[in-house]
Amino acid sequence: GENVEQHPSTLSVQEGDSAVIKCTYSDSASNYFPWYKQELGKRPQLIIDIRSNVGEKKDQRIAVTLNKTAKHFSLHITETQPEDSAVYFCAATPGGGADGLTFGKGTHLIIQP
Amino acid sequence: NAGVTQTPKFRVLKTGQSMTLLCAQDMNHEYMYWYRQDPGMGLRLIHYSVGEGTTAKGEVPDGYNVSRLKKQNFLLGLESAAPSQTSVYFCASNPQPRLGYTFGSGTRLTVV
Repeated sequence: GENVEQHPSTLSVQEGDSAVIKCTYSDSASNYFPWYKQELGKRPQLIIDIRSNVGEKKDQRIAVTLNKTAKHFSLHITETQPEDSAVYFCAATPGGGADGLTFGKGTHLIIQP
Repeated sequence: NAGVTQTPKFRVLKTGQSMTLLCAQDMNHEYMYWYRQDPGMGLRLIHYSVGEGTTAKGEVPDGYNVSRLKKQNFLLGLESAAPSQTSVYFCASNPQPRLGYTFGSGTRLTVV
């Protein structure tokens, strides 16, 4: 099955700086890569996703890049703000996608004032 | 439009007891999923369903059973609870593969 590795497990950045979270996947047939944000005690919420026919996608301060050859994808957050503090999860959909998402173990992003 | 609703929100069980977690969605989604979330482990798929009357095993199915008798409901059962099943359980749904999930608010289960 699919295996998703996520790094780092904890990331502390100064407010206003950029944050980058990286994930690798094992199944070359995976073709959908969402990112979720989970605030303490809340449910995960989709913040951005990318499909395998696209190399990069942006939504305001958030961007995701995908390198299919290397089987890795990354989340980039620019001009970080206190409300960006949360746990971020990457995920991949192996094969046809009907078998559900495989998640990374999460990155705790801490924004220092 | 409530989205995905999970009941109960909290529960404490004694070892060996049984219980059922209910997930209900009002978005007419075909696909529904049960995940468990443990510290440092991310979200791991327990069981999933690709439509009414269907179920399939995920990554960590042992000790759990599921049923999807109606399209809008996906039930997760624990027949004989064990302390290792202490976790936060999330239900999720989507209308088709390769679309983002809508998650429920979670059920915090403690088995003592």
